[in-house]
Amino acid sequence: DAGVIQSPRHEVTEMGQEVTLRCKPISGHNSLFWYRQTMMRGLELLIYFNNNVPIDDSGMPEDRFSAKMPNASFSTLKIQPSEPRDSAVYFCASRPSGRDTQYFGPGTRLTVL
Amino acid sequence: EDKVVQSPLSLVVHEGDTVTLNCSYEVTNFRSLLWYKQEKKAPTFLFMLTSSGIEKKSGRLSSILDKKELFSILNITATQTGDSAVYLCAYDDDMRFGAGTRLTVKP
Repeated sequence: DAGVIQSPRHEVTEMGQEVTLRCKPISGHNSLFWYRQTMMRGLELLIYFNNNVPIDDSGMPEDRFSAKMPNASFSTLKIQPSEPRDSAVYFCASRPSGRDTQYFGPGTRLTVL
Repeated sequence: EDKVVQSPLSLVVHEGDTVTLNCSYEVTNFRSLLWYKQEKKAPTFLFMLTSSGIEKKSGRLSSILDKKELFSILNITATQTGDSAVYLCAYDDDMRFGAGTRLTVKP
């Protein structure tokens, strides 16, 4: 089992550019979560999906952020336009149906200059 | 609004000490509470607690839930430098995490 896969692992971009982060959950898991982690704010839930449907996006900071899950094996988190304050580690996690253990991906470290 | 509060935020101990980390919660649809350990990378799962008063153990780590008082504790006995990490708790409804406790174990 490859675990949750995220790409890229590191991203450095300039302010104003579009950034797309990608996540492949563990096969068979039906819940997917996007988190952002910074020293100041800790681990924040941005959005989560059940069966590809967004359930709670109240953590999405603003309209510059959007997330999609077109199928059970792929999700994206897009920031457009990016700003320096978006610099953080973004984690994707998945959870199997009927169980509560959540598995995290390795994260994407985003730096916006 | 549902929330999870951890204390202390930071803790420094010496090897061999025993530590107790706290997690209190106020949630409307509680099913279970989870503990994670985060070192330099992604959080890794430690325990899931659903029943009050039943202790979960894994080596020197143990955790227990009190559903009446709405809190959980994570105990680490005979701490080692490898226990240094941020310990996070979350409730399972929407997997929102507390701020974490940063534990530093000095040799």
